[in-house]
Amino acid sequence: GIQVEQSPPDLILQEGANSTLRCNFSDSVNNLQWFHQNPWGQLINLFYIPSGTKQNGRLSATTVATERYSLLYISSSQTTDSGVYFCAVQWSGTASKLTFGTGTRLQVTL
Amino acid sequence: GAGVSQSPRYKVAKRGQDVALRCDPISGHVSLFWYQQALGQGPEFLTYFQNEAQLDKSGLPSDRFFAERPEGSVSTLKIQRTQQEDSAVYLCASSIKGGKLFFGSGTQLSVL
Repeated sequence: GIQVEQSPPDLILQEGANSTLRCNFSDSVNNLQWFHQNPWGQLINLFYIPSGTKQNGRLSATTVATERYSLLYISSSQTTDSGVYFCAVQWSGTASKLTFGTGTRLQVTL
Repeated sequence: GAGVSQSPRYKVAKRGQDVALRCDPISGHVSLFWYQQALGQGPEFLTYFQNEAQLDKSGLPSDRFFAERPEGSVSTLKIQRTQQEDSAVYLCASSIKGGKLFFGSGTQLSVL
């Protein structure tokens, strides 16, 4: 099956700092989504981004499918951004299930 | 409904008991997924429905796990003869076919 690796595994930021999270995947995908899991466990869908670039407020994401990676940018981080960020991909060889990456745990401090 | 609803939020079972976890997806979403999340790990796929058809059950860990969605809306994940290794958060998600995936709050299962 497809392998999905995220980096860094852990990240500590001061409030106001910017960061870039990376997702590498091992095979062709036709669907890629980014999620934020808050400290209470709720998974929130941030982006549906199989290719190209999207922006939503302080967050933006870019997927370069031909090079098998995606980036999530967080600008002017806030304490509410803390939690775990997952990318999830739908491998071209499967019907529709998403395979989740290893996650990046982000802590934003005052 | 406004979001994906799961119940119960917490379930404690004695080893060997059967449990049933319910998922009510967003109205109109034809695709429904069940995932299992162990502590400190990412969600792991269990099974997928398109309407009432179970199209993929490759992630179910054993024949003690069974899922159904008889009318293409509400789904139930049943675990028979629970074991300690079944302790995890069980997440349900729904989407329009191939679209953004929306998750419920999960059911945290503890098997004693």
